[in-house]
Amino acid sequence: DVKVTQSSRYLVKRTGEKVFLECVQDMDHENMFWYRQDPGLGLRLIYFSYDVKMKEKGDIPEGYSVSREKKERFSLILESASTNQTSMYLCASSPGLAGFGEQFFGPGTRLTVL
Amino acid sequence: AQRVTQPEKLLSVFKGAPVELKCNYSYSGSPELFWYVQYSRQRLQLLLRHISRESIKGFTADLNKGETSFHLKKPFAQEEDSAMYYCALEGSSNTGKLIFGQGTTLQVKP
Repeated sequence: DVKVTQSSRYLVKRTGEKVFLECVQDMDHENMFWYRQDPGLGLRLIYFSYDVKMKEKGDIPEGYSVSREKKERFSLILESASTNQTSMYLCASSPGLAGFGEQFFGPGTRLTVL
Repeated sequence: AQRVTQPEKLLSVFKGAPVELKCNYSYSGSPELFWYVQYSRQRLQLLLRHISRESIKGFTADLNKGETSFHLKKPFAQEEDSAMYYCALEGSSNTGKLIFGQGTTLQVKP
């Protein structure tokens, strides 16, 4: 079974704090992704990475950065959290073959920024 | 532009009724399309992909290139089908990146 784990299920932070969300996958997948999940908006891609130290912006990268120092770990960083970043954050991974399509998701981190 | 549209936020049906969750896409090439499902308190997971042409949990989805649609269907809904459903399109970047629709909540009433 592919396992994607996220460091926290629930997180409460204050405006202006630096926030780290960690994601680890154990299946040697090349690709890793960070999404926001908001009601009525679906899943929106924040950043993705197709190799160690490689990253690409998704559709809504503003206010976020990422780090991928090891293949199995992909971190999402909120440099200065704001209330409009309150959301559910989902991490996913997939093998490196284009067209394979299946992404494996973590359980999500519900972040509240006060 | 590549886009996926799910026009219904909520679809409510009675147990045993047919279900059709709508998905329309915008893509100039040959699309790879998927349906993902998220049951209550569970993680998002793949339900089916169009290239497999398989039926999963009684659900099927047919790609209609003329109408640019990939609607998800089930002839007889069950209460355990209640969940959030997302349609997704694999984009053209060859990175395995998916473009998701807004999601449709399916509520199956007893």
